Amino acid sequence: DGGITQSPKYLFRKEGQNVTLSCEQNLNHDAMYWYRQDPGQGLRLIYYSQIVNDFQKGDIAEGYSVSREKKESFPLTVTSAQKNPTAFYLCSTGGYNEQFFGPGTRLTVL
Amino acid sequence: AQSVTQLGSHVSVSEGALVLLRCNYSSSVPPYLFWYVQYPNQGLQLLLKYTTGATLVKGINGFEAEFKKSETSFHLTKPSAHMSDAAEYFCAVSGSNTGKLIFGQGTTLQVKP
Repeated sequence: DGGITQSPKYLFRKEGQNVTLSCEQNLNHDAMYWYRQDPGQGLRLIYYSQIVNDFQKGDIAEGYSVSREKKESFPLTVTSAQKNPTAFYLCSTGGYNEQFFGPGTRLTVL
Repeated sequence: AQSVTQLGSHVSVSEGALVLLRCNYSSSVPPYLFWYVQYPNQGLQLLLKYTTGATLVKGINGFEAEFKKSETSFHLTKPSAHMSDAAEYFCAVSGSNTGKLIFGQGTTLQVKP
């Protein structure tokens, strides 16, 4: 059953902690993307990767890091340098003519 | 540079009434245009897309949109609203081979009984 999954669904972070959000896909797409969603601001691109072992910064990359060691996986780390990490995070995969989104992870800072 | 503007952050209609959600875009290259729907605490689901060809595109759940290049618009319509249409709707544009999507701010559709 093909698809894109994200885990966990809910995540809580204490001040100063790094946390990692998982994104896995078995749709066999080369490209994967991370977006951040805040109320009233739509979705903004954090990082994207068009091929294994390569990735580029999006519009709001500060305080985030990623890796792309496997085609199926594109984890996002929210570092302590991200001052306002509370948001809904969405991962997607696909190409220029269609993207498929995961169910999202809601991150809350305690 | 590309950008998307959705006119109206909240739209309220009565059940059975016409739904019209507005989207204008700017793009220096021929755009690919998308409408996505999001239910609370869920990911985005593709409603419809325009890539090339016919400018009137039909999507799921009875929605359709028309690409008007002269007006740089891609408005979403549905003839008769249903309670289950209540959700947030996002218009997006992609115009490069990277596949990056530029999103509008979103429009929350409320359907009143």
